[in-house]
Amino acid sequence: EAGVTQFPSHSVIEKGQTVTLRCDPISGHDNLYWYRRVMGKEIKFLLHFVKESKQDESGMPNNRFLAERTGGTYSTLKVQPAELEDSGVYFCASITTGIGNSPLHFGNGTRLTVT
Amino acid sequence: GENVEQHPSTLSVQEGDSAVIKCTYSDSASNYFPWYKQELGKRPQLIIDIRSNVGEKKDQRIAVTLNKTAKHFSLHITETQPEDSAVYFCAASDQGATNKLIFGTGTLLAVQP
Repeated sequence: EAGVTQFPSHSVIEKGQTVTLRCDPISGHDNLYWYRRVMGKEIKFLLHFVKESKQDESGMPNNRFLAERTGGTYSTLKVQPAELEDSGVYFCASITTGIGNSPLHFGNGTRLTVT
Repeated sequence: GENVEQHPSTLSVQEGDSAVIKCTYSDSASNYFPWYKQELGKRPQLIIDIRSNVGEKKDQRIAVTLNKTAKHFSLHITETQPEDSAVYFCAASDQGATNKLIFGTGTLLAVQP
């Protein structure tokens, strides 16, 4: 099966600009997660979709971040306007059923650099 | 909420030696503890996991132990090889409605040939 796909793999933007990250989960996976790793820190939870619904968005840093999953397939994460502290690697992950029943599959991540 | 601490942040061992990475968690409701390995430029991949009803699990050169009372769990890699070099993350989940994983800060393991 195809894995979780993310693009772009890298993005360099200036402070104040907008960037949209995309994630295509494994086909049939209802659960989709966004995580972020800032250099040297933990992989931090951002939010969780079940199909097209946001199950938990408690990790979203602020209202400059907007995640969508129209139709319950791919998801986008938009940062507008971007700030320096938004730099990091954004990971998407998907799973078909609950964690612990099957592995969480990660994408390769999008490395975002805000200058 | 859950908080996971991981130590050490970096670990250098000689090929053939053992490596141990330790994590502690705060939420007693957590009952699932996976370990992920991330090689440079690649995605994190699950290498082993353990549930709270088990104290130890082993898969070839990799083992994980869990002490629920002390709320800590450890990854043990024996007979390390250069290809074991990577960043290792521990995580915890209560497998509740969100099923989200709370990760540690990662350990950069370098195996010197």
